[in-house]
Amino acid sequence: QVQLQESGPGLVESSGTLPLTCAVSGDSISSRNWWSWVRQSPGKGLEWIGEIDLSGGPTYNPSLRGRVTISVDKSRNQLSLSLTSLTAADTAVYYCARNGPFSLENWGQGALVTVSS
Amino acid sequence: EIVLTQSPGTLSLSPGERATLSCRASQSVSSTYLAWYQQKPGQAPRLLIYGASSRATGIPDRFSGSGSGTDFTLTISRLEPEDFAVYYCQQFGTSPPGYTFGQGTKLEIK
Repeated sequence: QVQLQESGPGLVESSGTLPLTCAVSGDSISSRNWWSWVRQSPGKGLEWIGEIDLSGGPTYNPSLRGRVTISVDKSRNQLSLSLTSLTAADTAVYYCARNGPFSLENWGQGALVTVSS
Repeated sequence: EIVLTQSPGTLSLSPGERATLSCRASQSVSSTYLAWYQQKPGQAPRLLIYGASSRATGIPDRFSGSGSGTDFTLTISRLEPEDFAVYYCQQFGTSPPGYTFGQGTKLEIK
């Protein structure tokens, strides 16, 4: 059974950069071609950040394009997210997920990130 | 961009009752691209249904999905205590590419 675990700083400064990693265990990251990041602001709904195709490249939510980078390190079996120019609106729980058939099949437990001013 | 609107916002039912949750899209969505998730407090969403009607691995058969075009439904035939949660529908779009979610329906115990 695949397991995903997000990690990163719980508190980041406004205007700074958020680095998050997602460690994949129980299966190879190469087992599926697409992996995604999703976030959820406190008390709010779900927002897809972007995905990466291991055979191609990343696709980003247009609302975040220019600030977000998703990458994968196959040797470490992990996924990464970088989000720049942070504001309070970026405070959220960040999830990594393994894509299924046009859906998000497996999710990590999430990492809470607070942007401080 | 396709917008998904879920109704009702909150649904109050008792265990053993039938729950019907609606997801309406602002434009036609291929059934292949429609999914449903369950989220409990403090937990990540869990995939229930993909392709509008296919149950994900390990999902009980009391959960079923249906619909086409702009109207989709998640039905829980007989509510169990563990089913009270927030439910989201999701569509995969090609222009622009990516996933969008409905705002959620909270299913609460009456």
